[in-house]
Amino acid sequence: EIVLTQSPATLSLSPGERATLSCRASQSVSSYLAWYQQKPGQAPRLLIYDASNRATGIPARFSGSGSGTDFTLTISSLEPEDFAVYYCQQRSNWQFSFGPGTKVDIK
Amino acid sequence: QVQLVQSGAEVKKPGASVKVSCKASGYTFTSYYMHWVRQAPGQGLEWMGIINPSGGSTSYAQKFQGRVTMTRDTSTSTVYMELSSLRSEDTAVYYCARRVGEPGDYWGQGTLVTVSS
Repeated sequence: EIVLTQSPATLSLSPGERATLSCRASQSVSSYLAWYQQKPGQAPRLLIYDASNRATGIPARFSGSGSGTDFTLTISSLEPEDFAVYYCQQRSNWQFSFGPGTKVDIK
Repeated sequence: QVQLVQSGAEVKKPGASVKVSCKASGYTFTSYYMHWVRQAPGQGLEWMGIINPSGGSTSYAQKFQGRVTMTRDTSTSTVYMELSSLRSEDTAVYYCARRVGEPGDYWGQGTLVTVSS
């Protein structure tokens, strides 16, 4: 079973600042890593798939990078609507898993 | 348009079973695998398993092996998730979702299952 860890658990930033979120896998997932955003009471929203590809309709301020076991989600300049919880998620050998999440809150 | 419509909230006693449905529309039902993901109150997302609506094959997360069963009915484009031997820790919102982690993902509205004596 592949375990994902995310850091930090909470990121306190101001609008306009840059956010850098990390996700590490316990073994290689190649590039099969996605990032989701979730707001209270809502289903998760896909931001990035296959490590670095933005999903349809996702603003360019969101970018993903990495491969193997280490991945990063970057939000270049935080907008008010970006304060939420972010999860990484892997799909490898028909076993999927999510990381524990990083909460981005307003400083 | 793609829609995944789940059954309503459930309240169950410890030790009971629950069966949640997810009716798909707006696409060819047998063309996409369906996942089940749950989220306990205030907690993160937890992947439970996946079903191939075409042949019915399944793959479950190790944690739920022996306690979860995913099935499908192609005549009604509906997938089902049954969880048995419920305990309080199973209280959560249960989501069905198509193409998790891939473009073209869609999620149901979620079904709250409450386990309480």
